[in-house]
Amino acid sequence: KAGVTQTPRYLIKTRGQQVTLSCSPISGHRSVSWYQQTPGQGLQFLFEYFSETQRNKGNFPGRFSGRQFSNSRSEMNVSTLELGDSALYLCASSSRENTEAFFGQGTRLTVV
Amino acid sequence: AQSVAQPEDQVNVAEGNPLTVKCTYSVSGNPYLFWYVQYPNRGLQFLLKYITGDNLVKGSYGFEAEFNKSQTSFHLKKPSALVSDSALYFCAVREWSGYSTLTFGKGTMLLVSP
Repeated sequence: KAGVTQTPRYLIKTRGQQVTLSCSPISGHRSVSWYQQTPGQGLQFLFEYFSETQRNKGNFPGRFSGRQFSNSRSEMNVSTLELGDSALYLCASSSRENTEAFFGQGTRLTVV
Repeated sequence: AQSVAQPEDQVNVAEGNPLTVKCTYSVSGNPYLFWYVQYPNRGLQFLLKYITGDNLVKGSYGFEAEFNKSQTSFHLKKPSALVSDSALYFCAVREWSGYSTLTFGKGTMLLVSP
């Protein structure tokens, strides 16, 4: 079974721009979660989608948004980028039966 | 609200010695507990989980963890450390009821010296 795939792996954007990150979950997994990882704040939960519905949302500004498609693929969008948005963005998928989440390799976003 | 504490930012151990990485948790209900490992510029790799049953859980790469309900702890252990075990380790908790999110600790850097 293929793992969780995140694209792109690396991204450099300018302040004020917007960015879209993509995540393809493990086949059959309907739950997709997004996390932001920074050296100072550690792993912070962004949001979780299940069957195209946002089920949980973390404490991030409205500039951070996401969606899930009918094939369970998910995208997250960050608008009006700030320097502080530079981070590793991790996507994880899980099935209803499994309680653990499986992570992708992450997208390293650098805002300059 | 659920939370996880990893009291040590870094743990240093010599190769061949036993290692312990500490984790305590707080949830209002019954917990699902997990350990993940992260190598540089990589995602998180699942190591092991506690759902129910035996308090000693065995996982990948010779790691194990002991669930202690009274101390609300879930410490990661390995009898004999390898240099290749050097990485960042995360403890996480999810509550049983409903679809709660995974909450992670801050992470503990494990450094195994030759």
